Amino acid sequence: QKEVEQNSGPLSVPEGAIASLNCTYSDRVSQSFFWYRQYSGKSPELIMSIYSNGDKEDGRFTAQLNKASQYVSLLIRDSQPSDSATYLCAVKGLGSGGYQKVTFGTGTKLQVIP
Amino acid sequence: EAGVAQSPRYKIIEKRQSVAFWCNPISGHATLYWYQQILGQGPKLLIQFQNNGVVDDSQLPKDRFSAERLKGVDSTLKIQPAKLEDSAVYLCASSLERGASYEQYFGPGTRLTVT
Repeated sequence: QKEVEQNSGPLSVPEGAIASLNCTYSDRVSQSFFWYRQYSGKSPELIMSIYSNGDKEDGRFTAQLNKASQYVSLLIRDSQPSDSATYLCAVKGLGSGGYQKVTFGTGTKLQVIP
Repeated sequence: EAGVAQSPRYKIIEKRQSVAFWCNPISGHATLYWYQQILGQGPKLLIQFQNNGVVDDSQLPKDRFSAERLKGVDSTLKIQPAKLEDSAVYLCASSLERGASYEQYFGPGTRLTVT
């Protein structure tokens, strides 16, 4: 089982719709969760971080965390063509040596259709 | 505040040649990471430094890859000799450990093509 799993997509949504991106993780003691956006040919850019159960909103973005289900999601409201990118989920937990370790998923490609 | 700097941005070499990448993290960030990202995949951690010590290099192909972070600031990643499968983007990131936060900030990356 992969440590962090995402559907590779592409996820296609019409402009103005809500895009829902999902991520599951295997390490039950994971502590922090991050969403990165990566445009084609560019490096990942941090857009959201969430640490406790529930929702966290930042503008058009809402991150949702459910630790019991080991599930984190990102909602993008009023999707715009400029949101078209790959969205990477990253999870922080403890590595085998007791250090802080961040593991990335493979990313979900989002296409917003004008 | 300046971001993570990397150089070169692009590099083309032949297999069996050597190559080195340089990274300067955000000022004050104690943790530095090198990732390899192959097209269509997520970043794969190669090595993680805490100040100038190695925290994790479990996925670093040590027979050909090496990295150092002298004085706990900038870092160099070297490949010698390169193989075709090393063609990828090499990303450097840094983070400031503060409470539960472990937000990483990425540099622009170095796109390596091995022919």
